[in-house]
Order: sequence, then structure tokens, then C-alpha cells
Amino acid sequence: ETGVTQSPTHLIKTRGQQVTLRCSSQSGHNTVSWYQQALGQGPQFIFQYYREEENGRGNFPPRFSGLQFPNYSSELNVNALELDDSALYLCASSYRTENEQFFGPGTRLTVL
Amino acid sequence: AQTVTQSQPEMSVQEAETVTLSCTYDTSENNYYLFWYKQPPSRQMILVIRQEAYKQQNATENRFSVNFQKAAKSFSLKISDSQLGDTAMYFCAFMSNYPGSRLTFGEGTQLTVNP
Repeated sequence: ETGVTQSPTHLIKTRGQQVTLRCSSQSGHNTVSWYQQALGQGPQFIFQYYREEENGRGNFPPRFSGLQFPNYSSELNVNALELDDSALYLCASSYRTENEQFFGPGTRLTVL
Repeated sequence: AQTVTQSQPEMSVQEAETVTLSCTYDTSENNYYLFWYKQPPSRQMILVIRQEAYKQQNATENRFSVNFQKAAKSFSLKISDSQLGDTAMYFCAFMSNYPGSRLTFGEGTQLTVNP
């Protein structure tokens, strides 16, 4: 059974640029959730995707957007990057009807 | 909205001893789940233990156990026989009991196990 994978591992961007982060869910999982973890803080929920549609969103502006593909993998896109977007971005996959979420290793984004 | 509070930013314990990490939460819901996650320096978030709110019995997983006090909205984690590999950031998290729920995390407690 393949676990949750994320790419890239690290990424450096400059303010105003756009970034795409990728997540492959664990085999069979149909739901993907994205979290932002600023340095020294707990993860904050960004949004969740189920059946290729957004299914719940946290307190993040519209420049944070996502996609889910038929194979349940997912992308997180962030436009007009700001310095405060520097964080660890975590992807978690799950079965929609179960409560356990399985996390990937994260993507460390640095915005200069 | 639910909130989760961890009031101990840092804790340390000697190897083989017992340590308890505290967590309180606020919710108006009656049925939900509570979790403790471990995040070592590798950044991978690992589930340590899970508690279902409708179960009165406290969850136990080997050296890890919880003290769940529903009326007090308290959910502490006890680690027995601490090992060096337990050194990590520990997060308490809340999840509502409906499909597609999100996790709400506390701010975390950095635990250091000293040899």
C-alpha cells in the first residue's frame, strides 16, 4: 500500500509569483484535505476535495485554489504569493466516511 | 467553531519516565473525535491515538494512553516509559462526527526526551 506523497519537497518563490503543489493520495482514498502549517504553529485547514469538488474551506482567500483529479490526486495552487504564505503545506488523504486522515511529508514553501 | 488549546509549549522528560501532555477544547457538539498526532523533525504527521467522544473508556495504544474528561472538555496524553524516539512536536486535534470533517489542531507541545 503506497502512502501519501507530496511534491516538491522544498520550493522557493518570490512575492507575487504563483505556485502549484501536488499530492498523491493513499491507494483507495477518495478525499484530500490541505493544511497550512506556519513555523511554530499547528496546521490550519485550507480546504478539502471529494469527487473532484471542493467540499469545505477554511479561512483562506480565493487566491488559494485547488483541484482533485479522477485518480483522487490533488493540487494546491496559490496565486500572488505573499511573504506570509511561507509555511509547510500538508496534504492528508482519507475515506470520506472514516475519521482518520493520513498525512504526507509536506512541501516547505519559502516566499522571498 | 471548535477551538483546541495546548497550554504547554515545551516539556521535557527523562528516558523511561512518564509524562503527561495537556489539551482542552471547546465545542457545542456532543459526538466528535479527538486525536493526538506526533510530528518529528522529519515533518511527517503521525497519528498516535484516537478517542471517540461517545466512548467513556479511555483509549490506549501500547505506551500511550489518554485521560478523556468530556464534561471538562479535557483530553490529556500520557506517555509511559518515555523513549528517545518520542522526542517530537505533539498536536491535539478535534474532528466533528460527520463525513468530510476537517481537523482542528492545537498549537502543539514540543516534547524532549533526555537520556
